[in-house]
Amino acid sequence: GAGVSQSPSNKVTEKGKDVELRCDPISGHTALYWYRQRLGQGLEFLIYFQGNSAPDKSGLPSDRFSAERTGESVSTLTIQRTQQEDSAVYLCASSLVSGGENTQYFGPGTRLTVL
Amino acid sequence: GENVEQHPSTLSVQEGDSAVIKCTYSDSASNYFPWYKQELGKRPQLIIDIRSNVGEKKDQRIAVTLNKTAKHFSLHITETQPEDSAVYFCAAAARAYGNQFYFGTGTSLTVIP
Repeated sequence: GAGVSQSPSNKVTEKGKDVELRCDPISGHTALYWYRQRLGQGLEFLIYFQGNSAPDKSGLPSDRFSAERTGESVSTLTIQRTQQEDSAVYLCASSLVSGGENTQYFGPGTRLTVL
Repeated sequence: GENVEQHPSTLSVQEGDSAVIKCTYSDSASNYFPWYKQELGKRPQLIIDIRSNVGEKKDQRIAVTLNKTAKHFSLHITETQPEDSAVYFCAAAARAYGNQFYFGTGTSLTVIP
């Protein structure tokens, strides 16, 4: 079946502009995660959703970052007033059920470049 | 919270040799330890995982070992091939932390033909 998809694949924006990144999880997956990966770095946890609620927002770097999810479907990550340090690949992943034992399947990522 | 450390950060081996990547974790509540492979410009993909009720798991040329007492787990790749070249990430997760996975900082493996 279809895997996790993300759009856009690439986004170039000017400093100060808002951007919206989209993630479509695997159908039936109740948990959804957002990560940030700077060039040559590891995976930085941002937020996860169980259904459409977000029990853990601890990874969001600042109040410029927000995310929402509609039901157990698409999620959007919004970055307001983008800064150059926001440049990174934003990865989304989904897993079947709640709990730390379930495999996360990653999307291809959105490469964000803030000029 | 959990803290996962991964070593080495870079690793070069000759084709056919073995490669070992080690991770340590801090919280005994962690009970699930996946390993992901990320090729250049691609998404991370799960290659093997282990749960805390077993000490070793093997899948062809890849194996993972877990030492719960010492709180460390390792990835072993035998008979390495050039296509094994990638960045490898370990992670730890536990129900105590909801759904949060704690990732290591990654190991860049280069297999020299």
